[in-house]
Amino acid sequence: EPEVTQTPSHQVTQMGQEVILRCVPISNHLYFYWYRQILGQKVEFLVSFYNNEISEKSEIFDDQFSVERPDGSNFTLKIRSTKLEDSAMYFCASRDLAGGGYEQYFGPGTRLTVT
Amino acid sequence: LAKTTQPISMDSYEGQEVNITCSHNNIATNDYITWYQQFPSQGPRFIIQGYKTKVTNEVASLFIPADRKSSTLSLPRVSLSDTAVYYCLVGDSNTGNQFYFGTGTSLTVIP
Repeated sequence: EPEVTQTPSHQVTQMGQEVILRCVPISNHLYFYWYRQILGQKVEFLVSFYNNEISEKSEIFDDQFSVERPDGSNFTLKIRSTKLEDSAMYFCASRDLAGGGYEQYFGPGTRLTVT
Repeated sequence: LAKTTQPISMDSYEGQEVNITCSHNNIATNDYITWYQQFPSQGPRFIIQGYKTKVTNEVASLFIPADRKSSTLSLPRVSLSDTAVYYCLVGDSNTGNQFYFGTGTSLTVIP
C-alpha cells in the first residue's frame, strides 16, 4: 500500500538555525499539506499546496516558513530561523483530487527539537 | 468550516462496541464528515468518511442522521490497540483546502 514518507524522523537544531523537513507524498496525489503538533496539543494546519503553489495557509505559517516541491516527488518545509516554540512534530499529508471530503494520508512525522 | 463538538474522553472495555458522537450543527449542504484516528507520536490515520446515511468499511461504521447535524463513529468490538484519539472533521475540500482538527475524543480501552 502506498504511503507518505518523511525524513528525518528526528531533527535537533539550535535556535536561529535553518531546517528543512522532507516528505515524499503518495505518487498520484495532487494536494500536499504540512501540519504540526506541539506535544500534548492538537494537530494544527500550516499550509496546503496544489499545482505548484500555496493554496491556503494558517496564521502560524509566517515569513519564517516556506514550502517547495523541487523535483516532482519531494515536498519540503523550510523554517528559516528556528525558535524554541517551533519544537513539535511536523506531519506531511497528501490527498488525491477525487471528491470533496478530507481523506488525507499522513506521514509518520518529523520530531523537531529546537535547543 | 463547520464547528464540531466531541466528548473529550471515553473509556470502554475490550470487546465492547464504542460509539463516538460528533455534533456539527452548522454543517453546510456540500460538507463531508471525515473521521481520523491518532496514536501517540504518529500521524493521524484516515478511518472513514461519509455524506449521509450509513457508511461501513473494514474498520468502522459511520452513522449520519437525515438532518446531518451529528454523526456517530461506531467501532465494533474494540481491543486495547484501539486506544487512541479520534477526530471528526466536517467540510468541503472543493471550497476550502485547509483542514482544522479539534481536540478530538481520547478513547481508552480497558482490559
